[in-house]
Amino acid sequence: QSALTQPASVSGSLGQSITISCTGSSSDVGSYNLVSWYQHHPGKAPKLIIFEVTRRPSGVSDRFSASKSGNTASLTISGLQAEDEAAYYCCSYASSATRVVFGGGTNLTVL
Amino acid sequence: QVQLVQSGAEVKKPGSSVRVSCKASGGSFSGNAISWVRQAPGQGPEWMGGIIPISGSTIYAEKFQGRVTITADASTSTASMELSSLRSEDAAVYYCARVMGMTPVTPAFDCWGQGTLVTVSS
Repeated sequence: QSALTQPASVSGSLGQSITISCTGSSSDVGSYNLVSWYQHHPGKAPKLIIFEVTRRPSGVSDRFSASKSGNTASLTISGLQAEDEAAYYCCSYASSATRVVFGGGTNLTVL
Repeated sequence: QVQLVQSGAEVKKPGSSVRVSCKASGGSFSGNAISWVRQAPGQGPEWMGGIIPISGSTIYAEKFQGRVTITADASTSTASMELSSLRSEDAAVYYCARVMGMTPVTPAFDCWGQGTLVTVSS
């Protein structure tokens, strides 16, 4: 069981927006602005799309945005495209002995 | 643009050890920490630990303490992860990942290896 809770799946139509939630606790998401998000297509290496809660690495589309409120972080993908269909994982620093925790992942289906 | 290339798939017996290597090319190796993350089938990723190559300083997740050893050789730009006393639940894809910064526990991994499948079977 992953430390951070994500919905198992979400779906949206081409051009629409979706939001994926990532719920942790006061020991991780709630206490540190060290949340990242990864996009993972099957058979490929994961790709960093958000770090430090809201920052996008160079080259990542501005259709990806993120935020945090309390113990929950959120990733929003706007203007859905077919290539956005992938698994998305959140990740946070944690004060526990685990140090870095991930979510269980959310499979995005683009209809 | 740095690339991380990992060693190939492994099949191991329960109780044995596995060593996965991760060679960096095309960019700085010593300027960033390297972390190791694994993902078992149907599960989310799991951080195992990391290393600061320039110093060799390591940090491990408590779950793997005593069973995992992460090393780095700056002369060959290669990091390695060895996991001992393998059991069936260790079957997973193992990734090395470059950290955005010098602290292995910074949860920002901007470059990943291709993954190494480790199968544990008698």
